[in-house]
Amino acid sequence: GAVVSQHPSWVICKSGTSVKIECRSLDFQATTMFWYRQFPKQSLMLMATSNEGSKATYEQGVEKDKFLINHASLTLSTLTVTSAHPEDSSFYICSAKWRQGVSLHYGYTFGSGTRLTVV
Amino acid sequence: DAKTTQPPSMDCAEGRAANLPCNHSTISGNEYVYWYRQIHSQGPQYIIHGLKNNETNEMASLIITEDRKSSTLILPHATLRDTAVYYCIVRVAGTQGGSEKLVFGKGTKLTVNP
Repeated sequence: GAVVSQHPSWVICKSGTSVKIECRSLDFQATTMFWYRQFPKQSLMLMATSNEGSKATYEQGVEKDKFLINHASLTLSTLTVTSAHPEDSSFYICSAKWRQGVSLHYGYTFGSGTRLTVV
Repeated sequence: DAKTTQPPSMDCAEGRAANLPCNHSTISGNEYVYWYRQIHSQGPQYIIHGLKNNETNEMASLIITEDRKSSTLILPHATLRDTAVYYCIVRVAGTQGGSEKLVFGKGTKLTVNP
């Protein structure tokens, strides 16, 4: 259980275009999802928290107008990289939060990531 | 910022136990410790989590010190497929009253040698 599907797994786009990445929770409802970015040989950096039905909460230093997040349903969050530039090339990973049974414990499941290359 | 520190790398012989340490001296009383691992170019995989009691599952054991300022992840019989970056994470409160979140530190690169 608690499977997260992320698509596409890789994408190459031209500089100046926009790219959309999808993150779906397949067997649970995710009111909260998270988007991370990872540069080569570095750790994951949290970009934003995506909340179903409301605006995303962005981490300090992350441009909300450049990285548009939409969480319109309980199973889908999307990240759109607008006007992409070569420096946006990175590995983008989503994560979904889910409740473990009726307890107050939460799990966090990650997608398989999207390798974005901007040329 | 991450609230954990880990050694950047460790080696382990195949079949032996791998003990990965983590310091989280500023952890608060209600903050959980999570362990994930990431194999190259994949999303992080959940291993185990705990609050103050030791935990064990089919993958690993988690030993948390009584003062909760450090913990150790134990892979009882490491295999070559356990080679990965292991992240110890303290779940932190969200900003602006939002959801709690996982903030990753730099992790430990574990190499299991034949």
